[in-house]
Amino acid sequence: DTGVSQDPRHKITKRGQNVTFRCDPISEHNRLYWYRQTLGQGPEFLTYFQNEAQLEKSRLLSDRFSAERPKGSFSTLEIQRTEQGDSAMYLCASSLAIDRYEQYFGPGTRLTVT
Amino acid sequence: SQQGEEDPQALSIQEGENATMNCSYKTSINNLQWYRQNSGRGLVHLILIRSNEREKHSGRLRVTLDTSKKSSSLLITASRAADTASYFCATVTAGQGAQKLVFGQGTRLTINP
Repeated sequence: DTGVSQDPRHKITKRGQNVTFRCDPISEHNRLYWYRQTLGQGPEFLTYFQNEAQLEKSRLLSDRFSAERPKGSFSTLEIQRTEQGDSAMYLCASSLAIDRYEQYFGPGTRLTVT
Repeated sequence: SQQGEEDPQALSIQEGENATMNCSYKTSINNLQWYRQNSGRGLVHLILIRSNEREKHSGRLRVTLDTSKKSSSLLITASRAADTASYFCATVTAGQGAQKLVFGQGTRLTINP
């Protein structure tokens, strides 16, 4: 399977704990996006990488959130000191080039903070 | 924040009927895309229409775009049970480099056998 993969698929954590999610994009894609989706809503943009550079962050991404894409391949999203409001589906997507706007999404990581 | 609204929020039809979903947005766009999301699964890209296009077809899908009204519609013809899913429109704002998608709230489509 050469699609976008995310790990883990599900994560249950206690409030105050740190969690880290991983995304492996389609190998030749240089753009990588993170979105968050809550129940009954559409996804909301969190942050975007072109190669290893993080070029845009949403105001939704508080100081407790950090994302990296160290070698321009896989990416990690870390949430520190989780809160119940962080419970959501975290989606990763990748795309190829500036004139190709379609994004390919992974299956998501569902986070539940208890 | 969400770009706009989709209408209806939920739609239930019989297999074989056509389904129409509408989407409104707020800003000037480069393009508008439709995605499908099955229960508990990721989003799948269906079709893209650029701001200078008015209509586009792909298989049983037909998308229209009216930039003067800032609205789009998705028509699924001859619906099948497998079309049961949530459908989202997403826009790419004109002139922004990130090409991030701004999604609507979605339409939940149920096809009854």
